[in-house]
Amino acid sequence: DQQVKQNSPSLSVQEGRISILNCDYTNSMFDYFLWYKKYPAEGPTFLISISSIKDKNEDGRFTVFLNKSAKHLSLHIVPSQPGDSAVYFCAASAQIQGAQKLVFGQGTRLTINP
Amino acid sequence: EAGVTQFPSHSVIEKGQTVTLRCDPISGHDNLYWYRRVMGKEIKFLLHFVKESKQDESGMPNNRFLAERTGGTYSTLKVQPAELEDSGVYFCASSPDTGAKNIQYFGAGTRLSVL
Repeated sequence: DQQVKQNSPSLSVQEGRISILNCDYTNSMFDYFLWYKKYPAEGPTFLISISSIKDKNEDGRFTVFLNKSAKHLSLHIVPSQPGDSAVYFCAASAQIQGAQKLVFGQGTRLTINP
Repeated sequence: EAGVTQFPSHSVIEKGQTVTLRCDPISGHDNLYWYRRVMGKEIKFLLHFVKESKQDESGMPNNRFLAERTGGTYSTLKVQPAELEDSGVYFCASSPDTGAKNIQYFGAGTRLSVL
């Protein structure tokens, strides 16, 4: 069973525009969510996170929104830059249960076109 | 500060052989995790060490996989005997025990190819 889903395998955006990546989850025990960025032949790099007590977290060009009632989160990148082209993974964990393992989505390949 | 390092970066073995992957976490990180990504699918959890103890090994696929973290520093993941379906990229991650412990930092991975 896929507890974290990223339904868009790929996304193409024009440079300078906004990129919106989406993620849905099913486990209501998840209380911490993270976005990782991955380049080819490298490991995932932490980008931004959000706790379930918040509905928004912003860091520079990156903003994560959490809608707990819909069990949905999204990552906004604005403005998008060519260096943002990578695979983005959404991940979730149930910290309140003491479990720290991350459950990942399948990833979305973002391509920024010049 | 050095990040999480994994060795080797790539391993090609034949079915039935043994392979040992190594992970050196960020210095001072008590938490060490192993994950695997198969055939470009999602990254899946294998197990979690806190220092030298196995905290959670619920993701280990079967008893052909053996993970150790003697002394609470580096960790090894042995696959014996390797099967075709074990091919994939094995990632190691670490996180500190306090502070931003929710954030896991990943190594570059070991790509395992079983022929």
